[in-house]
Amino acid sequence: GQNIDQPTEMTATEGAIVQINCTYQTSGFNGLFWYQQHAGEAPTFLSYNVLDGLEEKGRFSSFLSRSKGYSYLLLKELQMKDSASYLCAVRAGRAAGNKLTFGGGTRVLVKP
Amino acid sequence: DAGITQSPRHKVTETGTPVTLRCHQTENHRYMYWYRQDPGHGLRLIHYSYGVKDTDKGEVSDGYSVSRSKTEDFLLTLESATSSQTSVYFCAIASRGYEQYFGPGTRLTVT
Repeated sequence: GQNIDQPTEMTATEGAIVQINCTYQTSGFNGLFWYQQHAGEAPTFLSYNVLDGLEEKGRFSSFLSRSKGYSYLLLKELQMKDSASYLCAVRAGRAAGNKLTFGGGTRVLVKP
Repeated sequence: DAGITQSPRHKVTETGTPVTLRCHQTENHRYMYWYRQDPGHGLRLIHYSYGVKDTDKGEVSDGYSVSRSKTEDFLLTLESATSSQTSVYFCAIASRGYEQYFGPGTRLTVT
């Protein structure tokens, strides 16, 4: 089975840094994805990790430790437009249709 | 942005009626997925397709069927809608199993 946990909600101040943790226990692992979803909109792809370590993409970074079943998404220099839900998702292997299993999402509220 | 559309975007229907949602892509991607999103449950996979006429069930497939007769179209059918199927439905596409791109969503209300 698949179990993915992330905090429900976080609040941070504009210009600050926020770290969103994601832990997973899955029967198969072929990569971990982070998506951003603004209220009333579709999720949009942010980052992908399949090997251990840090992937940096502008103000956003994502880290993966496969041995610990752990990932985090780091948002730096927070802007008001970063207020959204952030979804962690684990991908199964090709034999399982490359399916994604999503966590419940973390709603981030950025305050002035 | 990936060329993916969903229709209708909003629908209100009565319990017991059949409903079909359409997902259309212009990217020629092999993989297509249907999800539902509900408060407290996040995104959950209903069905997916890995090619024309090749489909499989996801974690919440009961009460839903799908068909894919062409690469570009993936249909989700609720044979007899129930109030528990009130939700936002997202279609997603993927090439070679990399990141999935999501359509704009369909908000379905079953009264």
